[in-house]
Amino acid sequence: GIQVEQSPPDLILQEGANSTLRCNFSDSVNNLQWFHQNPWGQLINLFYIPSGTKQNGRLSATTVATERYSLLYISSSQTTDSGVYFCAVERWANNLFFGTGTRLTVIP
Amino acid sequence: EAGVTQFPSHSVIEKGQTVTLRCDPISGHDNLYWYRRVMGKEIKFLLHFVKESKQDESGMPNNRFLAERTGGTYSTLKVQPAELEDSGVYFCASGAGGRFNEQFFGPGTRLTVL
Repeated sequence: GIQVEQSPPDLILQEGANSTLRCNFSDSVNNLQWFHQNPWGQLINLFYIPSGTKQNGRLSATTVATERYSLLYISSSQTTDSGVYFCAVERWANNLFFGTGTRLTVIP
Repeated sequence: EAGVTQFPSHSVIEKGQTVTLRCDPISGHDNLYWYRRVMGKEIKFLLHFVKESKQDESGMPNNRFLAERTGGTYSTLKVQPAELEDSGVYFCASGAGGRFNEQFFGPGTRLTVL
């Protein structure tokens, strides 16, 4: 299957700081999604972004499919942003391949 | 509109017992998926339904796992008999299908096998 690598594995930020999370994948993909797993374990959809750039409030994402990576930007971080961020990609079979996640901790 | 729901949220069972997990997808979504995360590892695909048919079950770990989706609505995932290594979080997701198939996940069922 396709390999999905996320970096950094852990990130600690002061509230108000900005951050960039990276997702590299080993082969061409049809689709890519970013998720936030909150402290209750729920996977919240952030972006569906097979290519290009999207923005939603303080979050934005960019996928460069030809270079096999995606970036998630978090600006003016808040404590509620804490949790694990997952990148997942889909090839031909409709099932998602997940990365191991980036654990973000935002300190007040 | 209701999201994907899963029941139960937690289940604690003894090794050798049977457990059945349920997933209700978003209304109108033909595609339903099961995933799981065990031992803090990455979330991994188990199987995919299109309506009531199994499209892909390549991720099912062994024949102790049985998934059904009668009538193409809700789905169940049965583990019989459960083993210690089955402990983890089981997620269900649904999607409308087609080329732009965004998947939406349920809250998961945390399974603990003692």
